[in-house]
Amino acid sequence: ETGVTQSPTHLIKTRGQQVTLRCSSQSGHNTVSWYQQALGQGPQFIFQYYREEENGRGNFPPRFSGLQFPNYSSELNVNALELDDSALYLCASSLRHAGGSNEQFFGPGTRLTVL
Amino acid sequence: AQSVTQLGSHVSVSEGALVLLRCNYSSSVPPYLFWYVQYPNQGLQLLLKYTSAATLVKGINGFEAEFKKSETSFHLTKPSAHMSDAAEYFCAVIGNFGNEKLTFGTGTRLTIIP
Repeated sequence: ETGVTQSPTHLIKTRGQQVTLRCSSQSGHNTVSWYQQALGQGPQFIFQYYREEENGRGNFPPRFSGLQFPNYSSELNVNALELDDSALYLCASSLRHAGGSNEQFFGPGTRLTVL
Repeated sequence: AQSVTQLGSHVSVSEGALVLLRCNYSSSVPPYLFWYVQYPNQGLQLLLKYTSAATLVKGINGFEAEFKKSETSFHLTKPSAHMSDAAEYFCAVIGNFGNEKLTFGTGTRLTIIP
């Protein structure tokens, strides 16, 4: 069973640029959630995708967008990068089903630095 | 809406001593509660979860947590700390099945003193 993988592991961008982060779900999972973890903080929910559609969104502006593909992998896109976007971006996959306990399995994260 | 509060951003205990990390929750519906651990430069690993079954939940690495509705608490304990337990610990809540948004606390950094 393959766990959740994310790429790249580290990324450096400058203000105003755009970035795409990628996530491969754990085998058999159909739901992907993205979280932003600023330094010294707990993860903050960005959004979740289920069956290729957005299924809930946190308090993040529209320049944060995502996709989920038929194989349940996912992308997080951030446009017009700001300094405050510097953070660890975590992807989590889960299997959504009736009566489930919603356990999410996290990837190792992508460390984004915006200069 | 649901939230969790972790009391104590830093906790230090001696090796072999009791570990107690505190978490209080607020939820308008019966919550699902989780404890995650994060080692430096790594993602989150699930330690244990409460999903309305037994109130005392046993997890990995010797950790356990007790759900106390009267105190709205879900504190994490381990009888004897090990050096390898040094990490950041996060309490999290999901309050509504179907909306799998995890709401995390601010974390507690656990330091083990040799």
